[in-house]
Amino acid sequence: NAGVMQNPRHLVRRRGQEARLRCSPMKGHSHVYWYRQLPEEGLKFMVYLQKENIIDESGMPKERFSAEFPKEGPSILRIQQVVRGDSAAYFCASSREEGTFYEQYFGPGTRLTVT
Amino acid sequence: EDQVTQSPEALRLQEGESSSLNCSYTVSGLRGLFWYRQDPGKGPEFLFTLYSAGEEKEKERLKATLTKKESFLHITAPKPEDSATYLCAVNSGDDKIIFGKGTRLHILP
Repeated sequence: NAGVMQNPRHLVRRRGQEARLRCSPMKGHSHVYWYRQLPEEGLKFMVYLQKENIIDESGMPKERFSAEFPKEGPSILRIQQVVRGDSAAYFCASSREEGTFYEQYFGPGTRLTVT
Repeated sequence: EDQVTQSPEALRLQEGESSSLNCSYTVSGLRGLFWYRQDPGKGPEFLFTLYSAGEEKEKERLKATLTKKESFLHITAPKPEDSATYLCAVNSGDDKIIFGKGTRLHILP
């Protein structure tokens, strides 16, 4: 009964490189959410996806950040040309039901460090 | 502006010393309030969902309550293993999830 899986757990990138974060939702869940957590800050919503659709990307920076959830395979959060300010923990969550009205189950997170 | 505020920021209790954590919110239309527990280096773990004022839910030593302006997470006779950061989140009327910054709870043996 696997939960939400994220990989890698830790990722180190130099400034200007690309970061790719992967998320596999819980079995039976088709809704994926990405959050960013900075030290001493709360979780900040970034994007909500269903299979092959971006439902709400209002929390995602307009430049350098993109997300997808293809028909097959995990959801990907992609950060191009990373900068030091992108260093954070990125969490993925999934839910069974449609919409943010229902509880979300979180993965262990990917800790991105930009050097 | 929709907002979630948790207090206190940090709380140290002796084992067995009961207390409450507060989550106050101002949102355009509450559609659900969630409590999560987060251990260091891990993702949040779902605890409760509350949908309407007056609702209560319990799990082991934890009990969550909801009013029109705030929610409380009551911890009865806590144990050291209850030490964690407790997060509150709300789903507002425009279907956004907003998290508070959390309360860091430390239970001393």
